[in-house]
Amino acid sequence: ILNVEQSPQSLHVQEGDSTNFTCSFPSSNFYALHWYRWETAKSPEALFVMTLNGDEKKKGRISATLNTKEGYSYLYIKGSQPEDSATYLCAFMEYGNKLVFGAGTILRVKS
Amino acid sequence: DAGVIQSPRHEVTEMGQEVTLRCKPISGHNSLFWYRQTMMRGLELLIYFNNNVPIDDSGMPEDRFSAKMPNASFSTLKIQPSEPRDSAVYFCASSLQGQGDSPLHFGNGTRLTVT
Repeated sequence: ILNVEQSPQSLHVQEGDSTNFTCSFPSSNFYALHWYRWETAKSPEALFVMTLNGDEKKKGRISATLNTKEGYSYLYIKGSQPEDSATYLCAFMEYGNKLVFGAGTILRVKS
Repeated sequence: DAGVIQSPRHEVTEMGQEVTLRCKPISGHNSLFWYRQTMMRGLELLIYFNNNVPIDDSGMPEDRFSAKMPNASFSTLKIQPSEPRDSAVYFCASSLQGQGDSPLHFGNGTRLTVT
């Protein structure tokens, strides 16, 4: 069973703070790493799909990096806003296998 | 683009009854996935289809669960007979190509309660 771990489990920050969280995954047989944002009462929404070691992707104030050799990805949010409050999920896929989701990091941004 | 459409949004049924969940993927997407979300196990993959063909159903809990995709625009997940432990939110998702290269687009989910 693939182990995809996300940390921290939850995070409370003030509006304007920058924050980051981690997704750890097995470093062998890497194929792809996904990040999703999941707002309460909605469905998960894709942020990034990353496939190459060293990938860096950015969407507005949110960015992500990928290190496949050591098996981790970071998600960064610059200048957090209350609307960033959500659960952030990562999902890992190895060759010939299926996408496995982590348990998520719950982010709450206080105004 | 209407997105992935699931029905019903909520389903309440009694133990032993048959339950059918429905999904319409995004037009042009050739992969479809059924996920179940529970407090204990998070988001777990039940089954996925490529070009209407089931590829991996190893996540289907037991024989009471079955899924079909008769054409590119429709899929069903059936539970017969249903049990209280099946209570969860069931998500359908579709993607343009497989799982890895393309992001998943999720429907709004069906919240199933079995009493």
